[in-house]
Amino acid sequence: EAQVTQNPRYLITVTGKKLTVTCSQNMNHEYMSWYRQDPGLGLRQIYYSMNVEVTDKGDVPEGYKVSRKEKRNFPLILESPSPNQTSLYFCASSLEKGSSYEQYFGPGTRLTVT
Amino acid sequence: SQKIEQNSEALNIQEGKTATLTCNYTNYSPAYLQWYRQDPGRGPVFLLLIRENEKEKRKERLKVTFDTTLKQSLFHITASQPADSATYLCARAAGTYKYIFGTGTRLKVLA
Repeated sequence: EAQVTQNPRYLITVTGKKLTVTCSQNMNHEYMSWYRQDPGLGLRQIYYSMNVEVTDKGDVPEGYKVSRKEKRNFPLILESPSPNQTSLYFCASSLEKGSSYEQYFGPGTRLTVT
Repeated sequence: SQKIEQNSEALNIQEGKTATLTCNYTNYSPAYLQWYRQDPGRGPVFLLLIRENEKEKRKERLKVTFDTTLKQSLFHITASQPADSATYLCARAAGTYKYIFGTGTRLKVLA
């Protein structure tokens, strides 16, 4: 089954404790992206990757890091989480060389930073 | 800066009627707009893409229009059903690989 998986699905952590949210896709997509979703603000793009070893900032990259060492994986790293990073996070992927640029989203990771 | 504006108020309609959702954008027209459906607690699911040079696109009971003069896209669901109840998101490309999403409009179809 074609899918994007994220782990963990739920995470409660404390300020300053480094964490990684993993994202993996099995569709051989070149493009992957991370979003956060907050009430009243909608989905906002954090980082994206056009292919292996190629990443760039979205609209809200502060406090986040990413890496793309393999085509299928695109982890999101919070080096020193803060309460304002409490949010619902989504990973997405798409086959850019196509006609619809359809993004496939993962199930989401709900992060709470206390 | 580029923005996508969707009506944040929920839209309640009666089953069988046509639901019409609005997406307004600012600045230059994007090469395309996308519409997604999002159910509570789940990731968005792609529905339709409409390009700048297309006036209208249809898929089953869904229809999307793109008016570059008004800087607006309309999303229609005909013969709406309770199962269509969800939040619908509009997204624009903001550069080659960047995307900007609206906050979404929550649709509730009443039986």
